[in-house]
Amino acid sequence: DGGITQSPKYLFRKEGQNVTLSCEQNLNHDAMYWYRQDPGQGLRLIYYSQIVNDFQKGDIAEGYSVSREKKESFPLTVTSAQKNPTAFYLCASRGKSTGSTGELFFGEGSRLTVL
Amino acid sequence: AQKVTQAQTEISVVEKEDVTLDCVYETRDTTYYLFWYKQPPSGELVFLIRRNSFDEQNEISGRYSWNFQKSTSSFNFTITASQVVDSAVYFCALRNYGKGAQKLVFGQGTRLTINP
Repeated sequence: DGGITQSPKYLFRKEGQNVTLSCEQNLNHDAMYWYRQDPGQGLRLIYYSQIVNDFQKGDIAEGYSVSREKKESFPLTVTSAQKNPTAFYLCASRGKSTGSTGELFFGEGSRLTVL
Repeated sequence: AQKVTQAQTEISVVEKEDVTLDCVYETRDTTYYLFWYKQPPSGELVFLIRRNSFDEQNEISGRYSWNFQKSTSSFNFTITASQVVDSAVYFCALRNYGKGAQKLVFGQGTRLTINP
């Protein structure tokens, strides 16, 4: 079945370490997104990519980096510069078939805990 | 600037009660889209509905209904005869229309608990 796969589901990291979260989609969608979810704050946009080899910063990009070398993949790296990385990270995609309506399809998320 | 406010942080009701989740939004654009998503304990956000700003007709889907009122900038969601499976976090979201409009802005979410 088509969908979005995020891995790992749970990840523990020591302070000062970089960590990369994987996001793969087989929906043939052009646009992909990374959101961060914290209790009581809803979802905030970290980065998004509309096409391969291109991406833009969202509202809270500091301390994060991304790449988009393939249409199916949009990995997110949480660097040591991110001051408060413990959160739930959600990857999403949107295809041309939905036009400009903005309906996103989400993965099941990755929960990162910094020890 | 765009903003979505879900003032109800948590709601708890007994099964079979009706419950309404409030959503108020702010945007300077005249054309936009509004969404509701459900987040069950598994974590994945599930799309429920999309509404265009130029279509104020209310929508009903089974036990779910949505009331869109541009005059009050609200897009409320009602669950009739609630069930335990409806327990989840619900998010309201807003997106402007147009080629350059990529950002989906979410509210803070409302945690709904349906007790048996």
